[in-house]
Amino acid sequence: DAGVIQSPRHEVTEMGQEVTLRCKPISGHDYLFWYRQTMMRGLELLIYFNNNVPIDDSGMPEDRFSAKMPNASFSTLKIQPSEPRDSAVYFCASSLGLNIQYFGAGTRLSVL
Amino acid sequence: SQQGEEDPQALSIQEGENATMNCSYKTSINNLQWYRQNSGRGLVHLILIRSNEREKHSGRLRVTLDTSKKSSSLLITASRAADTASYFCATDGANYQLIWGAGTKLIIKP
Repeated sequence: DAGVIQSPRHEVTEMGQEVTLRCKPISGHDYLFWYRQTMMRGLELLIYFNNNVPIDDSGMPEDRFSAKMPNASFSTLKIQPSEPRDSAVYFCASSLGLNIQYFGAGTRLSVL
Repeated sequence: SQQGEEDPQALSIQEGENATMNCSYKTSINNLQWYRQNSGRGLVHLILIRSNEREKHSGRLRVTLDTSKKSSSLLITASRAADTASYFCATDGANYQLIWGAGTKLIIKP
């Protein structure tokens, strides 16, 4: 398996623009997690899905953030409108059951 | 919320020396995991230790767990330059999500 695949790897955008991050989990995994990592706040869980259903989105910072998982092999995290404080590395991870998580390489987002 | 707290925040040692990192947590757990993150990469799982286990080995890694003190340690023996990375502990929290520490940044000097 190719592992968790995220795209794009880098995204530079201007404040106010819509940003869409994409994730393909490992085939057969039933959990998918979106994290944000910054120097100041460390690794934060934004939302996670079980069998494509959002279970806990309490980590989503505000209404500007939304996540979807239309099927077992694809998820998106959207920020609209983006702000400079959203600049961070966003990780997607998947797992089979609630044990070991497998992370993608991340998307480095810079909002100017 | 950050349950696991790693100590030290940063550690710099000579290649070949042993590196020890500690993790403390606050609430009861079912298991504790250690992950490694190389610069610019995603986190990679290293080892999982269950609450009824006291010690676990994997290659040059040794993890201990003391549930009475709510703490764990990760020992890397005979360190190599490739071990340079940040190391995170994670415990299972409410709703079965992982609660992550802030990480220990390990630098191995050649």
